[in-house]
This record gives sequence, C-alpha cells and structure tokens, in this order.
Amino acid sequence: QKEVEQDPGPLSVPEGAIVSLNCTYSNSAFQYFMWYRQYSRKGPELLMYTYSSGNKEDGRFTAQVDKSSKYISLFIRDSQPSDSATYLCATFKGGGGADGLTFGKGTHLIIQP
Amino acid sequence: EAQVTQNPRYLITVTGKKLTVTCSQNMNHEYMSWYRQDPGLGLRQIYYSMNVEVTDKGDVPEGYKVSRKEKRNFPLILESPSPNQTSLYFCASSSGQGSTEAFFGQGTRLTVV
Repeated sequence: QKEVEQDPGPLSVPEGAIVSLNCTYSNSAFQYFMWYRQYSRKGPELLMYTYSSGNKEDGRFTAQVDKSSKYISLFIRDSQPSDSATYLCATFKGGGGADGLTFGKGTHLIIQP
Repeated sequence: EAQVTQNPRYLITVTGKKLTVTCSQNMNHEYMSWYRQDPGLGLRQIYYSMNVEVTDKGDVPEGYKVSRKEKRNFPLILESPSPNQTSLYFCASSSGQGSTEAFFGQGTRLTVV
C-alpha cells in the first residue's frame, strides 16, 4: 500500500461549483499535511498546509485533516477556470527526522467556463 | 525574487551520454532535493541534501548522482542515461528538512533515446 493515495482524475466540474479533492494516508506518524498546486509546465507551489487534525481556511480554499480516519481534503468554493491545475497532497512526519515530503500522485482538476 | 532555477528546461540525449542538470536557489536554503515526475507514479524523490557535503538517497536513486559543494547549487548527474530515465525532473529547496514549504524549479523534461 502506498503511503499516500490520491485519485488522479481527471475531475471536471462547471465554473462556480464546490470542488472536493481527497487523499488517504497509511502512516499514523504523519503530522503535517500540505496541498500543492501545479499548473501545466510549471513546478508545484504550496497552496496551504495544516498541522495535525482540523480545518484551515484561506479565501476560497479550505484544507481539512481527519487523523482518526487518515483522510485529507481540500475544498474549493466558487471554483474558477484559473483553478484548473493538478493538486497534489503531501505529508511528512516532522520531528527532525530525515524523511522528506511524501506526495500523492496528484488530481488533475478541470473547471469548465 | 526568490526562486529555484533549473537548466536546461528541455533535453534530448542518447543512451549512455553523460549529462548534468543544474539547480540553483537564491534563498540560502539548507535542504535541497531532486524529484522525478512520471504519469501514474507522481513525484518521487531521487536524492536529497540536508546541507553542504551532506547528501542521501531518496526513493529512486539508481542511475543518478548528486553533489553539494556549495549551498546554493545541487546538480543532478546521469553518468550513463537510459530510456527509463526519460521523465520530468524537479529540483526543490526548503529552509530545513522540517519545512512545510518546498520551492520547486520549473522542471527539466529529459528524453533519452
């Protein structure tokens, strides 16, 4: 079993819809959870991160972590065509260990105008 | 402007011809890493470096070498490239191994024929 599982999509929704992107992970030692956004022909960029369980909101974006079920979510409200990109979830354990980021495979999101 | 610069952006080479992909960051970051991104497999870490002269293997190090002689530079070396190393490569840097934000370069698309 991969440490972080993510449905690759593509996920296609109409403009203005609420988008839900999800990941599951297997290692309960993960403490930090990130969402990266990658536009075509670009490198990934950090969108937002959360520590442990809970919600974090930034404008139209909400990140949610449920450690009891090992489930990571990103919600996008009032989706725009400019949100079309690949979204990658990422985790790491923290605590000063040598492990780097573990990425999901990414979900390709298409917002139809 | 804070950035990670990779060169070249695109490269087509022949099997067995040694090549180097350069990576430079201007943020004085200690931690740097190389990833490859393949369809269906996502981002996989090749090598990472926690500081000058300190490097270690990631998840898929076979066929690659790295060096970290200066803090800002972290070149990726393919001594004898093979077609299975055809991929999209990203260099990334962060302030420390425990940082939630990794800054990625624009990517290098390598084709080995």
